[in-house]
Amino acid sequence: DVKVTQSSRYLVKRTGEKVFLECVQDMDHENMFWYRQDPGLGLRLIYFSYDVKMKEKGDIPEGYSVSREKKERFSLILESASTNQTSMYLCASSLLATNSNQPQHFGDGTRLSIL
Amino acid sequence: AQSVTQLDSHVSVSEGTPVLLRCNYSSSYSPSLFWYVQHPNKGLQLLLKYTSAATLVKGINGFEAEFKKSETSFHLTKPSAHMSDAAEYFCVVSEIDYKLSFGAGTTVTVRA
Repeated sequence: DVKVTQSSRYLVKRTGEKVFLECVQDMDHENMFWYRQDPGLGLRLIYFSYDVKMKEKGDIPEGYSVSREKKERFSLILESASTNQTSMYLCASSLLATNSNQPQHFGDGTRLSIL
Repeated sequence: AQSVTQLDSHVSVSEGTPVLLRCNYSSSYSPSLFWYVQHPNKGLQLLLKYTSAATLVKGINGFEAEFKKSETSFHLTKPSAHMSDAAEYFCVVSEIDYKLSFGAGTTVTVRA
């Protein structure tokens, strides 16, 4: 079974702080993704990565950056946290870069509160 | 462009009765379709996927879904609901690349 592990389940930070959310997968997947989930808005893609050191913007990248130094690890960075970034953040991974048949496998999420 | 519409935001059923969650999609290509389930404070778990093999797809926990191209639908069913089925369910479409489009979700409540 694929295991996607997010380092924190709950996180509370202050406005203006730099925040790191970490995600690790154990199945040698090429693709990794960061989403945020908000009531009424569903899941929205922030960034994704199809290889080490490669990244692509998703639908809502503003205020975020990412880092992928190793294949198994994908980090989401909030450069200067703001209250409108309070949300549930979900990491996912999938096999292969262009095969749409491959499902994404999700971690349990990090519920982030910015005060 | 791809999109997904889940026709019910909330479904309430009695334990032991059938569950039907409705999903319509729009796609320019032959899409892959998925159903995911999310229990409270958890991530999304894959229930089943359609990838142009059989139109009736069986998933985990007794769920199945039928792909109907003429109706652009991918409805999820289960013959007999269990209390543990109470969760939020997402219909998801994927076209020719990595990008997923999620439906808004259907919350299922199961009454004892």
